[in-house]
Amino acid sequence: GAVVSQHPSWVICKSGTSVKIECRSLDFQATTMFWYRQFPKQSLMLMATSNEGSKATYEQGVEKDKFLINHASLTLSTLTVTSAHPEDSSFYICSARDRPGGSYEQYFGPGTRLTVT
Amino acid sequence: AQSVTQLGSHVSVSEGALVLLRCNYSSSVPPYLFWYVQYPNQGLQLLLKYTSAATLVKGINGFEAEFKKSETSFHLTKPSAHMSDAAEYFCAVRATSGSRLTFGEGTQLTVNP
Repeated sequence: GAVVSQHPSWVICKSGTSVKIECRSLDFQATTMFWYRQFPKQSLMLMATSNEGSKATYEQGVEKDKFLINHASLTLSTLTVTSAHPEDSSFYICSARDRPGGSYEQYFGPGTRLTVT
Repeated sequence: AQSVTQLGSHVSVSEGALVLLRCNYSSSVPPYLFWYVQYPNQGLQLLLKYTSAATLVKGINGFEAEFKKSETSFHLTKPSAHMSDAAEYFCAVRATSGSRLTFGEGTQLTVNP
């Protein structure tokens, strides 16, 4: 089955620093990748949608200058949390969708736990 | 616009008992419907999906769901709960094959010995 990996699985950083999270589709090409944020005991909140080779589309209320998304290839998307603050602490999950002509299935990564101190 | 409502943020059952997790959807077009499971500190795993074929969908781990258009429901069931079923369950809807998923608020399933 299709596998999506995320790295790192957890990270602790100091307030004011930047953190990069990688999302890779290991055995399929993903035209579109999604980034979600999940607070404890809550559902997934879509932050942005990225298509390979183009700028990400951010959901309303998500600061694009704070959450930088790069989808440079069909198998890799990165989320950079810039100048992180404690309120950015959360569980970040990426999802990759099969390319057109494929199943359009969305496959989810295992998530990255970010803690900002 | 599409939306899903999961009735009951917490469901508790005894081991061996029937599991019933409720999901109602709202969609202006025939929807694609999904159930995902999330274990602590992990991503989402697809349990099953409805894509307008058979209305009764069988998934992994003994789960199944029935699409009922008249009731706009897609409830998840399992005849006999196992301790390992304890997790968070999310219902999701998608309008077309290429559109984005919209998730429900989730239901935490607890299985008591």
